[in-house]
Amino acid sequence: GAVVSQHPSRVICKSGTSVKIECRSLDFQATTMFWYRQFPKQSLMLMATSNEGSKATYEQGVEKDKFLINHASLTLSTLTVTSAHPEDSSFYICSTLRGPDYEQYFGPGTRLTVT
Amino acid sequence: AQSVAQPEDQVNVAEGNPLTVKCTYSVSGNPYLFWYVQYPNRGLQFLLKYITGDNLVKGSYGFEAEFNKSQTSFHLKKPSALVSDSALYFCAVRPYSGNTPLVFGKGTRLSVIA
Repeated sequence: GAVVSQHPSRVICKSGTSVKIECRSLDFQATTMFWYRQFPKQSLMLMATSNEGSKATYEQGVEKDKFLINHASLTLSTLTVTSAHPEDSSFYICSTLRGPDYEQYFGPGTRLTVT
Repeated sequence: AQSVAQPEDQVNVAEGNPLTVKCTYSVSGNPYLFWYVQYPNRGLQFLLKYITGDNLVKGSYGFEAEFNKSQTSFHLKKPSALVSDSALYFCAVRPYSGNTPLVFGKGTRLSVIA
């Protein structure tokens, strides 16, 4: 069964608005979650590492004030795209680690379209 | 720095024929290697991994991969391709065990033609 869930699966918003994407670990606690962004026909780009109870660590080139990450509990991390622009349209995927080998599990992704 | 190369953007194969999707890696220390598959508008599904042990790793849906340390490769293979195998395949590496994210290759699109 699914290990990581994401909501919503698809969202359309207008330029200038903010959108929140939720990522939940199912039946286990995730102290660390990762947020990726995927452009059409391209690979996954790591945006940030979300740590429960502390500030997220952002990759170089990712605007932390635009992509707000909150990891307030051991099962939930949220990514908020603030003041969205059409260039923010993308597929966003969250991921977490589980097990003794730190196997990485991925959410089903959220397709964001900014009009 | 660790990196993964998937030299082919696209691989076409006839149904029933064997398939290979190539992957080479660069990492300091012992690599932890993974293959994932992605169907349109879906998240990544785990296929298989190499941590240690036997160089030939068997995974989901009949896929396997061979770890070759001298060639720093981890090619994905399947003896007989199915049309339903058509998808985007990602090779990924983690330099060491721990709380670190995978580094992905750019992906290879596999098309299996009936």
